[in-house]
Amino acid sequence: GQQVMQIPQYQHVQEGEDFTTYCNSSTTLSNIQWYKQRPGGHPVFLIQLVKSGEVKKQKRLTFQFGEAKKNSSLHITATQTTDVGTYFCAGGQGGKLIFGQGTELSVKP
Amino acid sequence: KAGVTQTPRYLIKTRGQQVTLSCSPISGHRSVSWYQQTPGQGLQFLFEYFSETQRNKGNFPGRFSGRQFSNSRSEMNVSTLELGDSALYLCASSPEQTGVGQAFFGQGTRLTVV
Repeated sequence: GQQVMQIPQYQHVQEGEDFTTYCNSSTTLSNIQWYKQRPGGHPVFLIQLVKSGEVKKQKRLTFQFGEAKKNSSLHITATQTTDVGTYFCAGGQGGKLIFGQGTELSVKP
Repeated sequence: KAGVTQTPRYLIKTRGQQVTLSCSPISGHRSVSWYQQTPGQGLQFLFEYFSETQRNKGNFPGRFSGRQFSNSRSEMNVSTLELGDSALYLCASSPEQTGVGQAFFGQGTRLTVV
């Protein structure tokens, strides 16, 4: 079945450092979505990418969707303590969202 | 606009029992999907309901079932509970088909099987 792999599983950074998480799908995706889940919370939608090669920015966050629509990345510039949480990518495919395992980000002040 | 509401928030059950979880989607949303979240497995897709019909199903045993009512509220049932069913169960609602646009998640139901 369709799988979405996400790396790394954990990332510990010093505040101010950059952070990147990568997502790879075994099949071509209709779209890729990114969610953030704070500790003890529920996933909250960040963004959706649909077009091949698409790049979107939200303040310090940059999202990319690969040319083949099989991979994606999220890059955070100059992390802050408020960035702490688990970041999930999710591939949209025919009525379901297939989530990656998530990358848990911790930020040391 | 009220968000997605899941009840109960916490539940403790014994092995062999059955449980029913409830999800009220955002008003106007027709799609409700369910996910199981565990530390080791992440978010696993259970099933999706759209206009009272199950349209997609994940790779879970038949002990996991669900339904959707005419007002879009959804219930999920797990029969013959096993210890491994302990997890956070999340439902998400979407205006249209799940996976097409943003999914709005509820706070989840934390199920513990003892």
